[in-house]
Parts: sequence; C-alpha cells; structure tokens
Amino acid sequence: AQSVTQPDIHITVSEGASLELRCNYSYGATPYLFWYVQSPGQGLQLLLKYFSGDTLVQGIKGFEAEFKRSQSSFNLRKPSVHWSDAAEYFCAVATDYNFNKFYFGSGTKLNVKP
Amino acid sequence: EAQVTQNPRYLITVTGKKLTVTCSQNMNHEYMSWYRQDPGLGLRQIYYSMNVEVTDKGDVPEGYKVSRKEKRNFPLILESPSPNQTSLYFCASSLSGTENTGELFFGEGSRLTVL
Repeated sequence: AQSVTQPDIHITVSEGASLELRCNYSYGATPYLFWYVQSPGQGLQLLLKYFSGDTLVQGIKGFEAEFKRSQSSFNLRKPSVHWSDAAEYFCAVATDYNFNKFYFGSGTKLNVKP
Repeated sequence: EAQVTQNPRYLITVTGKKLTVTCSQNMNHEYMSWYRQDPGLGLRQIYYSMNVEVTDKGDVPEGYKVSRKEKRNFPLILESPSPNQTSLYFCASSLSGTENTGELFFGEGSRLTVL
C-alpha cells in the first residue's frame, strides 16, 4: 500500500536559520511528489512538485526539495526561514499521471522563534 | 478571483441528523475531491470526481456520499453523521487530462463536530 511518512511532528527553528523537513514515501513505481503548506485557518497551497528530471526542484517562497530515489525521500529545504513560514507542511504523493488519488503525510508543524 | 468555496465553514450537529457540505469552484475544473484532516493522520481522501456524473471512492468513503451533477459543484453528504466523523473537511479541485499539472486547489475547510 502507498504511504507517506513525515517523521517530525513539530519542528522549531530560529528566524534566519536553515530548515529541512523530511518526507519518505512507499510506492513501487515512480511517484509524483508534492509539498503543500497550510497556514492557520487556511486551505493547502502547493509549494513545489517533482515528476521527473532534475532531482532538485525549486518552488515558491524560496523553498526547494530534493528527490532521492535510493532513500525514497523528498525532503523540503529552505536556506533562511522567515517568521511568516510558520505553518504546517504536508508531503503528498500521487500514484498515477491522472492525479486522481493522492496520499498525504501526517504533516510537520513548523514554529519559528524570533 | 479563482477559488474553491465551501459551506458551512463551521457546523455543530447531532448524531443521525443528515447534513450536506457544499463545495463550488469557479475555475472550470473537471476534477474535484473531498478530504478529511485529523490530527496525526494528515489528509485522507474520501471521494473524488473526474468529471460530471463520474465519481469514485478514495481511502475513507464509509459514511459519506457525493454527487456531481454540475461541473462546478461537488457536495459531500453525511446521511447519518456519527461522532467519528468529527473532522476538518477540505474540498479540492484541479484540471484534468493533458492540462492537469497535478496541483490541487483547496477550499478553506469546513470544521464539523458531531455530538
């Protein structure tokens, strides 16, 4: 069965520090991978996605993610965190190119210390 | 403004009282989907619809019904709500076919409490 694991429930970083959020997926074929952000009281917004090609993908708001097939990982990174980045982050996988079914991780809540 | 609109945003109801959560999108998207979000479980897909009159089950469809009579609307129906359906519900839409980039556009959520 397909699954997405985000091992960190909560992460706190200082403003200006670097950030890495972990995501591991379990899926036999080539996955279609996404990172979404959810600000308090809001719906989810797409940060970036990976389908194929260059394994380092750039997204909005200065985020990037790296796909590592050997580790079944798709970790999200940001070099310097801003207070406005405080939110919950979800990794997701779609299991076919029709994008009908999606599986989301349990989320990582990011707190940013001033 | 392009958006997905859900109503109601907040609802407290009692066990067994039928309710409908509406979802409407103004982006002419073919694909629409419902998710529930529970602490520690992330988002789980309830139902999805690839186009008008075409729906299919997600991972947690039990206790829910959907219909897709018009392209823009995709209501979620709880015929006999139970306390384990207390959750935060999200509707999402996207393009489909060759124009589909995989990006889901989410509504702001509907928080449902069943007593």
